[in-house]
Amino acid sequence: DAGVIQSPRHEVTEMGQEVTLRCKPISGHDYLFWYRQTMMRGLELLIYFNNNVPIDDSGMPEDRFSAKMPNASFSTLKIQPSEPRDSAVYFCASSLSATGYTFGSGTRLTVV
Amino acid sequence: AQTVTQSQPEMSVQEAETVTLSCTYDTSESNYYLFWYKQPPSRQMILVIRQEAYKQQNATENRFSVNFQKAAKSFSLKISDSQLGDTAMYFCASDTGANSKLTFGKGITLSVRP
Repeated sequence: DAGVIQSPRHEVTEMGQEVTLRCKPISGHDYLFWYRQTMMRGLELLIYFNNNVPIDDSGMPEDRFSAKMPNASFSTLKIQPSEPRDSAVYFCASSLSATGYTFGSGTRLTVV
Repeated sequence: AQTVTQSQPEMSVQEAETVTLSCTYDTSESNYYLFWYKQPPSRQMILVIRQEAYKQQNATENRFSVNFQKAAKSFSLKISDSQLGDTAMYFCASDTGANSKLTFGKGITLSVRP
């Protein structure tokens, strides 16, 4: 079991550019979460999916953020256009009906 | 809505000693789960221990144990025989199971001194 796989591990981009973060959950898990971690706000839930369907996106900060889960093995979080205040570590996590959550290694995003 | 509060921003402990990290929570749910996660400098989020609210027995995992006080809505983590590798940020979290999303506290930075 390779765990939850996120890519890239680091991303540096210029303000205004589009950024796409990727996540492969653990096979068989039916929940997928996207979290953002900053020093000021801690860990915030952005959006989560159940069986590939978005359930709660109330944590998505702005329309610049969007997330998709086209199938059970892949999800993306896109920021367009990116801004410096989007700089953070973005985590993907998956779980099997809340019996345990496994996090990926995170993507450190820096927008300059 | 759930809230999780970790009021201590940082703690320090001597190697081989015992340390307790505090956490309180608030929820209107009758069934829920509580977690402690460890985040070392590598930034990986690692599950340390998990407690189901309907179980009265405190969860233990080797050197890690919890003191779960349901009436007081308190969920503290005790680390025995502290090791240098325990140096990390520790997050308390809760989940109702019904909506299955984790709510995290602000975290506490633990330093283990040699």
